[in-house]
Amino acid sequence: SQQGEEDPQALSIQEGENATMNCSYKTSINNLQWYRQNSGRGLVHLILIRSNEREKHSGRLRVTLDTSKKSSSLLITASRAADTASYFCATVPANAGNMLTFGGGTRLMVKP
Amino acid sequence: DVKVTQSSRYLVKRTGEKVFLECVQDMDHENMFWYRQDPGLGLRLIYFSYDVKMKEKGDIPEGYSVSREKKERFSLILESASTNQTSMYLCASSLPTRTDTQYFGPGTRLTVL
Repeated sequence: SQQGEEDPQALSIQEGENATMNCSYKTSINNLQWYRQNSGRGLVHLILIRSNEREKHSGRLRVTLDTSKKSSSLLITASRAADTASYFCATVPANAGNMLTFGGGTRLMVKP
Repeated sequence: DVKVTQSSRYLVKRTGEKVFLECVQDMDHENMFWYRQDPGLGLRLIYFSYDVKMKEKGDIPEGYSVSREKKERFSLILESASTNQTSMYLCASSLPTRTDTQYFGPGTRLTVL
């Protein structure tokens, strides 16, 4: 079963707007990671946030983590057409070693 | 940069054929993984390996086997391909620590006719 569930499943915005994707998970985690996948390609790691962190930034990406609500959000600011992709959250459950568990993903379309 | 390569981007096979999917990583990673990705189901772990000749079943190992004879290479084998194994197959590698990210190959889209 999937540990993480992304919301929304699909998102369509105009270039320049911000995009927010959410991830909810079920069990305690060591860390949560966000990945991006361009159509028909492999996944690329974007950012990792540890369970004792609340917010992390990387360029135009901002990730928050609320362990009390078992949720995370990924914000992409000033979106570009090249940001069009699927975005997945993945968790490392506290009792599962190095086993990442992926959610179903959010398909983001940024219209030029 | 970590590089993970997969032997084929696209593959078409017939039902009953034996299929080999090869994955090679160049960063001396201990862990290697095979996933399949299907619409609406996300990524599901088939097998992983934490060392040469070591393997562990993932969530959906039925119909698959794996081989890891060398650290850099992890092979996924479909002993007798079936149409329900038509999917995107993704290989990944990582260091053995619990917080490490996974590095993915470009994927192999397998069609079984």
